[in-house]
Amino acid sequence: AQKITQTQPGMFVQEKEAVTLDCTYDTSDPSYGLFWYKQPSSGEMIFLIYQGSYDQQNATEGRYSLNFQKARKSANLVISASQLGDSAMYFCAMREAYTDKLIFGTGTRLQVFP
Amino acid sequence: EPEVTQTPSHQVTQMGQEVILRCVPISNHLYFYWYRQILGQKVEFLVSFYNNEISEKSEIFDDQFSVERPDGSNFTLKIRSTKLEDSAMYFCASSDKGTGTYEQYFGPGTRLTVT
Repeated sequence: AQKITQTQPGMFVQEKEAVTLDCTYDTSDPSYGLFWYKQPSSGEMIFLIYQGSYDQQNATEGRYSLNFQKARKSANLVISASQLGDSAMYFCAMREAYTDKLIFGTGTRLQVFP
Repeated sequence: EPEVTQTPSHQVTQMGQEVILRCVPISNHLYFYWYRQILGQKVEFLVSFYNNEISEKSEIFDDQFSVERPDGSNFTLKIRSTKLEDSAMYFCASSDKGTGTYEQYFGPGTRLTVT
């Protein structure tokens, strides 16, 4: 069974608009962490934002925020005021308790147009 | 800002040859990882390494793979006899659990092409 599901293979957004990238996860562990990474066309993996399962508030990092809905097991990434440089693949990932490994989703390709 | 570095950026090798991919993790990090990403697919965990031993590995990480920390700075992934299906981007990552977030910092990757 998929642990991390990203249902949007591609998304388009106009510059300066906000966009939400969806991520749902599946785990029975009460303790886990959720991550979003950005992968530009150059290939590197850039950490964007983290949400712990016990965190009471949604994580925010600059223009990135994570809409964490624990009951729905979703951890959507919201990018506000999109910029052309935001065009990239975005991966959602999860780390469960007692393990170090990150489990990645299949990614969403975001394209920002002027 | 400290970063993970990887060499080479691109490696081309013939099937059956051995390759060693090199990584220099962030200096005060103690946990090291290798992931791979076959072109167009998701990133997959290979192995994690702590205190000079493997702490976890995936089913992909079979006897053809090995990891080593030969000195205080390098972390290597060796593939003994490469297959065509080993062609992928290989990412090294490191983390410092002291941060609490367990964020893993990724290197820029090594693209391995097996011909």
